[in-house]
Amino acid sequence: GAGVSQSPSNKVTEKGKDVELRCDPISGHTALYWYRQSLGQGLEFLIYFQGNSAPDKSGLPSDRFSAERTGGSVSTLTIQRTQQEDSAVYLCASSLMGQGEETQYFGPGTRLLVL
Amino acid sequence: GDSVTQMEGPVTLSEEAFLTINCTYTATGYPSLFWYVQYPGEGLQLLLKATKADDKGSNKGFEATYRKETTSFHLEKGSVQVSDSAVYFCALKGNTNAGKSTFGDGTTLTVKP
Repeated sequence: GAGVSQSPSNKVTEKGKDVELRCDPISGHTALYWYRQSLGQGLEFLIYFQGNSAPDKSGLPSDRFSAERTGGSVSTLTIQRTQQEDSAVYLCASSLMGQGEETQYFGPGTRLLVL
Repeated sequence: GDSVTQMEGPVTLSEEAFLTINCTYTATGYPSLFWYVQYPGEGLQLLLKATKADDKGSNKGFEATYRKETTSFHLEKGSVQVSDSAVYFCALKGNTNAGKSTFGDGTTLTVKP
């Protein structure tokens, strides 16, 4: 079946502009995760959704970052007033129910460059 | 909080060499442990996992054993191939906070023919 998809695959923006990144999880997966991968770094957790609610937003780096999920499916990560340090690959993953032992299935990522 | 420390890279090996990538962790409770792999130009995918102490995860000739006494989950392969060249990430997912996964910084492996 279809995997996790993300759009756009690449985004170049100017400092100060807002950007929206989209994630389509695997159908039927209730848990959805956003991570950020900076060059040469590991994955930094941003936020986790269970259905439409976000029980863990602890990784969002500032109030410029927000995310929502509607209909228990598509999620959008919004970065307002982008800064150069926001440049990174933003990864989305989904899993069936969000339990500890479950495999997360990752999308291809959105590569964001803030000039 | 939870943390994962993995062997720094890059690692360069000749084909058929033995591979070990070390991974140690700090977590409360009994986390599940994972190795993910990112091949060039591709997204992250699960390589193997173990969900309780002394479990051994295995896939594609790779193995890792969940060692609670040493809080480790080292990745091993007896004979690497050029096609194993990739970035390998160790990760844990705690049971006290099922939503959040913690990843190591990744280890880049290059296998030369």
